[in-house]
Amino acid sequence: LAKTTQPISMDSYEGQEVNITCSHNNIATNDYITWYQQFPSQGPRFIIQGYKTKVTNEVASLFIPADRKSSTLSLPRVSLSDTAVYYCLVGALKTGANNLFFGTGTRLTVIP
Amino acid sequence: EAQVTQNPRYLITVTGKKLTVTCSQNMNHEYMSWYRQDPGLGLRQIYYSMNVEVTDKGDVPEGYKVSRKEKRNFPLILESPSPNQTSLYFCASAVNTGELFFGEGSRLTVL
Repeated sequence: LAKTTQPISMDSYEGQEVNITCSHNNIATNDYITWYQQFPSQGPRFIIQGYKTKVTNEVASLFIPADRKSSTLSLPRVSLSDTAVYYCLVGALKTGANNLFFGTGTRLTVIP
Repeated sequence: EAQVTQNPRYLITVTGKKLTVTCSQNMNHEYMSWYRQDPGLGLRQIYYSMNVEVTDKGDVPEGYKVSRKEKRNFPLILESPSPNQTSLYFCASAVNTGELFFGEGSRLTVL
């Protein structure tokens, strides 16, 4: 079962690009990589999901190397409102087993 | 609007008084799950359900029960709550790729 490892915290200035890396050495063939954002006392919110290579949407990019043992969430030009906890989750439901594990997340603080 | 709805959002109760936190989703998802979140411990899974009448334990199932009689509903039952179950609870449903949709959370305090 895939487990994830992320940095506990990161600080960044407004306007900078932030990259958060997640390690998932035991990722399975069917697993997807999904990133969530969580504000205090709110449910996590989906940011982006990928299987391999690079995925980009209107808020973030996700980079996945060929071996898929890690992934990097890239947030372009962060603002104060991006201060939150970011979770990397690796898994899928296709095997019929429960393998949607959250790590401890990365607390991002954006500084003015 | 696609959503996961939990009730109650806030609850203060006393030790031993049975309570149920309801969860309902309108996206026809087969998978539903309950998590608890405590300071410094992240999100820990309590129970999950792959479909109607199919439930299984997550990482921290002790002291909790669930049922899945209909696809849309997945209530969390605390038969005899204790203070160590004071926590923030989240219900979620998911599509096959594992993309989870979370409710707004239920903050439970057990005195």
